[in-house]
Amino acid sequence: GQQVMQIPQYQHVQEGEDFTTYCNSSTTLSNIQWYKQRPGGHPVFLIQLVKSGEVKKQKRLTFQFGEAKKNSSLHITATQTTDVGTYFCAGAAPGGYNKLIFGAGTRLAVHP
Amino acid sequence: GAVVSQHPSWVICKSGTSVKIECRSLDFQATTMFWYRQFPKQSLMLMATSNEGSKATYEQGVEKDKFLINHASLTLSTLTVTSAHPEDSSFYICSAYFGGETGELFFGEGSRLTVL
Repeated sequence: GQQVMQIPQYQHVQEGEDFTTYCNSSTTLSNIQWYKQRPGGHPVFLIQLVKSGEVKKQKRLTFQFGEAKKNSSLHITATQTTDVGTYFCAGAAPGGYNKLIFGAGTRLAVHP
Repeated sequence: GAVVSQHPSWVICKSGTSVKIECRSLDFQATTMFWYRQFPKQSLMLMATSNEGSKATYEQGVEKDKFLINHASLTLSTLTVTSAHPEDSSFYICSAYFGGETGELFFGEGSRLTVL
């Protein structure tokens, strides 16, 4: 079945450093979504990528979708303590009408 | 924005009892709801897809007789953990999809089940 792998599992950075998490699917995706989960909270939608090679930015966050629509990345520039949490990618297979398979998540710790 | 409410937030029960968790979309009609299970510091594991008025579609390895899902209306889906055992202790989260262009899922707050 469809698998979504995400690395790294953990990342500790100093405030102001950059951070990147990578996601790779075993199959071609129709779209990929990114979510953030704060400790004790529930996942919150960040963005959806649909097109091959798509790049989207949200302030300090840059999201990319690979040309083959099988991999994606989230890059945070100049991290802040408010960026702390676990970032999940979630892929939807073609025809899966938004049935998402989540990656393992990357837990980000930011030290002031 | 859209809000999904999940109840109860916490539940502790004795082994062998059944527990029902409710997932409600408060300000939109959800064509599809999903149920996930999350172990501490782990990812969300999709358990089943719930469509209003039809039987839920379970993922491989998820016991449908153990985890009963009912989607009686466009705003309510329920998950019943039957004859719960300690290994069923987990964080259960529902999400709702209303068919928007962004494909966004709206998540409930989650329900933490502890089976003694």
